[in-house]
Amino acid sequence: NAGVMQNPRHLVRRRGQEARLRCSPMKGHSHVYWYRQLPEEGLKFMVYLQKENIIDESGMPKERFSAEFPKEGPSILRIQQVVRGDSAAYFCASSPPGTAHTGELFFGEGSRLTVL
Amino acid sequence: GEDVEQSLFLSVREGDSSVINCTYTDSSSTYLYWYKQEPGAGLQLLTYIFSNMDMKQDQRLTVLLNKKDKHLSLRIADTQTGDSAIYFCAESIGGGFKTIFGAGTRLFVKA
Repeated sequence: NAGVMQNPRHLVRRRGQEARLRCSPMKGHSHVYWYRQLPEEGLKFMVYLQKENIIDESGMPKERFSAEFPKEGPSILRIQQVVRGDSAAYFCASSPPGTAHTGELFFGEGSRLTVL
Repeated sequence: GEDVEQSLFLSVREGDSSVINCTYTDSSSTYLYWYKQEPGAGLQLLTYIFSNMDMKQDQRLTVLLNKKDKHLSLRIADTQTGDSAIYFCAESIGGGFKTIFGAGTRLFVKA
């Protein structure tokens, strides 16, 4: 059973370009979470999605950032017009239905975005 | 508010015990967690404790919860060099649908 798969593992963008980060949850998992880890900082919650629904996006910046989890395919975190401050590791996590009450999250290895 | 605080660094000698401390703010948290992150990798759940428990032991790991003071600790007995990593304290809020993490404690184990 493959774990949470994120790609790309490393992404370099110039200021003003777009970054798209993908996350395939573990098989059977229907809850997806995105976290951002800035250098030397902890993980900051960004968004929680279920299939075709955004449940909680209280951690998402109001502009330039969007997330989706379509019926088919991976979850996508999209950052438009990137700036240097967006440089970070973006982690995706998933959990199966029915265990949200325990909150255990299964993490991918992260996508490291560098903005030049 | 939502805030989890923990010290940033801890250095111990191999074979000693490590104690990592954490404070959280949401008294309604149902579960509290310790995750481990090795360099260049994602986080892995080490252990968790239900909020109505005081202590949980799992091999070399002991978790203590003081709900009155909103204080959580992780004790690693007989610390090994392979335990060197970042340890994140986390709490679930909002009925478990949202997990808030601390900044992580970097554990250095000296041989």
